[in-house]
Amino acid sequence: DIQMTQSPSSLSVSVGDRVTITCQASQDISNYLNWYQQKPGNAPKLLIYEAVNLETGVPSRFSGSGSGTEFTFTISSLQPEDIATYYCQQYDNLPSMYTFGQGTKLEI
Amino acid sequence: EVQLVESGGGLVQPGGSLRLSCAVSGFTLSSYEMTWVRQAPGKGLEWVSYISTSGSSMTYADSLKGRFTISRDNAKNSVYLQVNSLRAEDTAVYYCARVADTNDGFDIWGQGTMVTVSS
Repeated sequence: DIQMTQSPSSLSVSVGDRVTITCQASQDISNYLNWYQQKPGNAPKLLIYEAVNLETGVPSRFSGSGSGTEFTFTISSLQPEDIATYYCQQYDNLPSMYTFGQGTKLEI
Repeated sequence: EVQLVESGGGLVQPGGSLRLSCAVSGFTLSSYEMTWVRQAPGKGLEWVSYISTSGSSMTYADSLKGRFTISRDNAKNSVYLQVNSLRAEDTAVYYCARVADTNDGFDIWGQGTMVTVSS
């Protein structure tokens, strides 16, 4: 099974900060990597798919990069509404299997 | 409006069973793969199961194989998760999610249904 290591687990941030979260796969997953945002009491929301593509309607301050085993999620200038927990997710197609990272909680 | 609404959660004793339902609206269910994801209280997301558009292919997280069964009825616009032999560690919010048609992201989520396993 592919393991995902997401870091850090928590991050103390301030409005305007540039925030970077990393996700490492235990083996090459090409670009099969998505990023989600989850606010307390809410379902997760897809932000980035296939490592680098911004989901429709997601602000451009969010971005993703990487391929293979190393991936990065960036918020260029943190806004108050970005306080949430962020998860990476890898997927295999044959068969369809998915694994989430452990999550990164942003705290003011 | 595209919407997923889960139901069927509740309090169940260890060893018991539940059938979770996910009613979809606002899109053609038969065109989309679907999944279930769960989240234990205060913990992260855990992928549970996947089902193909026709229901002919299903996959499960390794730790859950044999106890959970996913199914769908496209005519009834519903997806189901049968959960058996429940354990305390199955206590979680169970989310139904749609797999995007152009990528493998989970683009639409329900609000979740809580399953509590306790005596």
